[in-house]
Amino acid sequence: EAGVAQSPRYKIIEKRQSVAFWCNPISGHATLYWYQQILGQGPKLLIQFQNNGVVDDSQLPKDRFSAERLKGVDSTLKIQPAKLEDSAVYLCASSLTSRLSDTQYFGPGTRLTVL
Amino acid sequence: AQSVTQPDIHITVSEGASLELRCNYSYGATPYLFWYVQSPGQGLQLLLKYFSGDTLVQGIKGFEAEFKRSQSSFNLRKPSVHWSDAAEYFCAVGPTSFYGGSQGNLIFGKGTKLSVKP
Repeated sequence: EAGVAQSPRYKIIEKRQSVAFWCNPISGHATLYWYQQILGQGPKLLIQFQNNGVVDDSQLPKDRFSAERLKGVDSTLKIQPAKLEDSAVYLCASSLTSRLSDTQYFGPGTRLTVL
Repeated sequence: AQSVTQPDIHITVSEGASLELRCNYSYGATPYLFWYVQSPGQGLQLLLKYFSGDTLVQGIKGFEAEFKRSQSSFNLRKPSVHWSDAAEYFCAVGPTSFYGGSQGNLIFGKGTKLSVKP
């Protein structure tokens, strides 16, 4: 079974530029998550999708971050414009449903460096 | 406020020695508890989880964890560490509502980095 795919793996941009990350979840998984992991910290949820609808985006900085999940499969996370403090690893995860009993499977992440 | 504390930022053990990683949580009710491992350049992988029942849970790769309600702890243990166990370990908690709880509400600790000496 293929895992969660993310691209790119690494991205370096200058502040005020825009960037987009892509995630392809495990086939059949209805729930998709984007996390931000700043160096030295645990992952923090940015947004959660159930199929193509947003379930929780309470911690998403909506003035600069946006995300979509077209057709309930792939998802993109965009930052525009980027700030220095956005430097982090962005992790995508998926699970069969949103129940806690269903394991979340994580992708390898995209490491973003903002200069 | 809900929180997870992993008191040890970095631990070094010798290969073959036993391991215990500490996790304490602050939560209004009995939470769902998880341990994840993150190897360099890779995403997080679930080691084990506790929802209810037996407070000693077995996970993958020979890991186990014990839930102690009185101490608000969920420590991870392994009797004999292998060099391949070197990684960062994260404890996480989630809400207890089975039907209404969202796994996305997981709160992660800051992680403990494990180094293994040959």
